[in-house]
Amino acid sequence: EVELVESGGGLVQPGESLRLSCAASGFTVSNNYMSWVRQAPGKGLEWVSVIYSGGYTYYVDSVKGRFTISRDTSKNTLYLQMSGLRSEDTAVYFCATVGHSGADPNHYYDSWGQGTLVTVSS
Amino acid sequence: QSVLTQPPSVSGAPGQRVTISCIGSSSNIGAGYDVQWYQQRLGTAPKVLIYGNHNRPSGVPDRFSASKSGTSASLAITGLQAEDEADYYCQSYDSSLWVFGGGTKLTVL
Repeated sequence: EVELVESGGGLVQPGESLRLSCAASGFTVSNNYMSWVRQAPGKGLEWVSVIYSGGYTYYVDSVKGRFTISRDTSKNTLYLQMSGLRSEDTAVYFCATVGHSGADPNHYYDSWGQGTLVTVSS
Repeated sequence: QSVLTQPPSVSGAPGQRVTISCIGSSSNIGAGYDVQWYQQRLGTAPKVLIYGNHNRPSGVPDRFSASKSGTSASLAITGLQAEDEADYYCQSYDSSLWVFGGGTKLTVL
């Protein structure tokens, strides 16, 4: 059974950094495409980043240069390193496995973690 | 502003049929990219209901169906139940990023 458990969220000040983790079980992270999706309080879903099994990474424009997605094969864990945090980054961050409805970029988000809350405020 | 437009809210009585629209453009749905639909109950993570325009993952009741035509897509829910009360999101691809609709809150009267 696929399970994803996020951690690492918390309250930080603008400009600070934070690293989110997503511990996976029931499958191998490095053999799959994985994504981060966020949801600001009371708002809708926003795709943030994806890492392909081959290592390619993509980001939404608003986080390019500030966020880095990565994975640790030995720990079967996905990460999101966030730096230069802004108030608009305040959200619940979900990690998700990426399913394919067809060839790239036809992705969908198959299994989701419970999310971890990041609050950026002074 | 989402590039995929959904109505903010819809409602229906138990047993009724409701539809939720997702209006895109020639750079996303109209370009042939697949549409997915998610259900998010209050305080929980989203769950995929439909992928690849009309495919249901195992475990999703056949009361949920979806279609796509031109630059838009729609989700239909028949035999509405109290447990269907949730937020619903469409999702596709547009100009080098994956995009969600703004979400639709379904209220079961």
